[in-house]
Amino acid sequence: EAGVAQSPRYKIIEKRQSVAFWCNPISGHATLYWYQQILGQGPKLLIQFQNNGVVDDSQLPKDRFSAERLKGVDSTLKIQPAKLEDSAVYLCASRALRDASANYGYTFGSGTRLTVV
Amino acid sequence: GQQVMQIPQYQHVQEGEDFTTYCNSSTTLSNIQWYKQRPGGHPVFLIQLVKSGEVKKQKRLTFQFGEAKKNSSLHITATQTTDVGTYFCAGRGPDNYGQNFVFGPGTRLSVLP
Repeated sequence: EAGVAQSPRYKIIEKRQSVAFWCNPISGHATLYWYQQILGQGPKLLIQFQNNGVVDDSQLPKDRFSAERLKGVDSTLKIQPAKLEDSAVYLCASRALRDASANYGYTFGSGTRLTVV
Repeated sequence: GQQVMQIPQYQHVQEGEDFTTYCNSSTTLSNIQWYKQRPGGHPVFLIQLVKSGEVKKQKRLTFQFGEAKKNSSLHITATQTTDVGTYFCAGRGPDNYGQNFVFGPGTRLSVLP
């Protein structure tokens, strides 16, 4: 099966600029996640969608970050305005609610590496 | 909130030596997952443990879930250069359906040929 698609792979912006990331999850995966991974740390959940509804956005800095998942398929994550500390890899992941192989793990995309200068 | 810690932070081994990383949670977990992230890559799911005291093996990798469901370990026998990467555990709190997995900071493994 096709994996989780993300674009762009890399982005360099100046602080206070805006940026958007795109994610297309595995077909049929109802649950979609955006994670932020700062260099040397584990992934940190930003937001979780189930279909097109937000399940958990408790760790999303809502003053500058926004995300949407229209039609319950692909999703975009936006940062406006960006700060230096937003430099990180932004990972999208999807997960099946029930899997015949009992594999309940997240499938991550390749991520977008954001550098804010 | 729930915290997941891992030790060691870094481990350098000679090829052929064994390696173990430990994961500890501040709260009882419903289940725990392990991921591997190669340098420059993204996390890849390895396994999920659910039962207290559960032990699962994947070739040279052995995963264990503690009896109290607050800790876990990953042991690699006879490391190879292909084992290089960062190993993350991710734990889910006792409310199995209401909580997301929290990732630990990872253990970075380097294998010297």
